Amino acid sequence: DTEVTQTPKHLVMGMTNKKSLKCEQHMGHRAMYWYKQKAKKPPELMFVYSYEKLSINESVPSRFSPECPNSSLLNLHLHALQPEDSALYLCASSQGGLAGVDTQYFGPGTRLTVL
Amino acid sequence: QQPVQSPQAVILREGEDAVINCSSSKALYSVHWYRQKHGEAPVFLMILLKGGEQKGHEKISASFNEKKQQSSLYLTASQLSYSGTYFCGTATGGNTPLVFGKGTRLSVIA
Repeated sequence: DTEVTQTPKHLVMGMTNKKSLKCEQHMGHRAMYWYKQKAKKPPELMFVYSYEKLSINESVPSRFSPECPNSSLLNLHLHALQPEDSALYLCASSQGGLAGVDTQYFGPGTRLTVL
Repeated sequence: QQPVQSPQAVILREGEDAVINCSSSKALYSVHWYRQKHGEAPVFLMILLKGGEQKGHEKISASFNEKKQQSSLYLTASQLSYSGTYFCGTATGGNTPLVFGKGTRLSVIA
């Protein structure tokens, strides 16, 4: 099973709302990632968790707050977002360490619209 | 450093071949190729590690020239299902994250 699931599929939120994105994998992978993808652009790395610890934060604004409650789950908490944060948010996982060697498996994404 | 992909876009008729290139200004440890269809997640195609190897599965293969810091993806006898945007992701070390190129939009028409 090479499936990464993400909920919700779509999310519309106002600039004052607080919401969370959820990602789950049951492949026993030890690294999980959040990417942001704007239309017609490549995925941009936001955060990496390796063995449930935050190992990379690509200078992401504090209105995005990641959380890894256990090795199968990854959340992205959203607060006071801006309209320019509207994008497809992709979660990915890989077997171990970071992605230099391991294959990353992507979830279907959450399409976020900030009004 | 973001790798450079070429061409930006290509249109093929079914059965034609295509080559997509990915080059970097930095020494590479690995190159990963993905295909993304509109509105869907990127799907892994293959990974090439430094050592100058060539890989393939079915009619899609790739090469990695470590000295030239570039990789090429070869699509032969293209099918309609090959349409999508192809991204290369490069890593400069075994423990460094991927950086994706801007993508190559491939359209296969009947």
